[in-house]
Amino acid sequence: EDQVTQSPEALRLQEGESSSLNCSYTVSGLRGLFWYRQDPGKGPEFLFTLYSAGEEKEKERLKATLTKKESFLHITAPKPEDSATYLCAVGGSQGNLIFGKGTKLSVKP
Amino acid sequence: SAVISQKPSRDICQRGTSLTIQCQVDSQVTMMFWYRQQPGQSLTLIATANQGSEATYESGFVIDKFPISRPNLTFSTLTVSNMSPEDSSIYLCSVEDPTNYGYTFGSGTRLTVV
Repeated sequence: EDQVTQSPEALRLQEGESSSLNCSYTVSGLRGLFWYRQDPGKGPEFLFTLYSAGEEKEKERLKATLTKKESFLHITAPKPEDSATYLCAVGGSQGNLIFGKGTKLSVKP
Repeated sequence: SAVISQKPSRDICQRGTSLTIQCQVDSQVTMMFWYRQQPGQSLTLIATANQGSEATYESGFVIDKFPISRPNLTFSTLTVSNMSPEDSSIYLCSVEDPTNYGYTFGSGTRLTVV
């Protein structure tokens, strides 16, 4: 059974304090590893798709990396506006996404 | 990228009633997905809706409780039937977005059943 586990559940950072979020996965065949940002009361906002081990993608202060067993979302010098829940998902056999429970990030000024 | 208009954004409903949620996409898509996000939990797939065929439901979800319509390639509805407080959740629709190799989500419907 395909499974996604995210850690930590919650992370509090000071503005400018870099850190990483972890997403470990177990799948029968990887159909993509997806990162989303979700703000309270809103739908998930697409950030990245990764397909191959060793692949990296960047967007502003965020960088996503992928290995054969896990993905990391690195946040460099975060700002308060980066506060959100970050969701990791893998592609399912139905063409859907299978999500982890998310990491709630709080960045204090 | 695809844009999804989801309605209503929120509703408070009496137990035993039904609510229909609509999703309109600005482009034609083959599959539309419906998810549920219970309080403090992540997203769980309810069903996959293809135009012209019956929706495919995940384990734990049944058509009588969550009937889905898909009349064309840009529109779908999900009905939550005979609601109970346990149905209080956020419901989201999603489509595959080939422009970014990701999936786009609607803004969600926050349902509270009292």
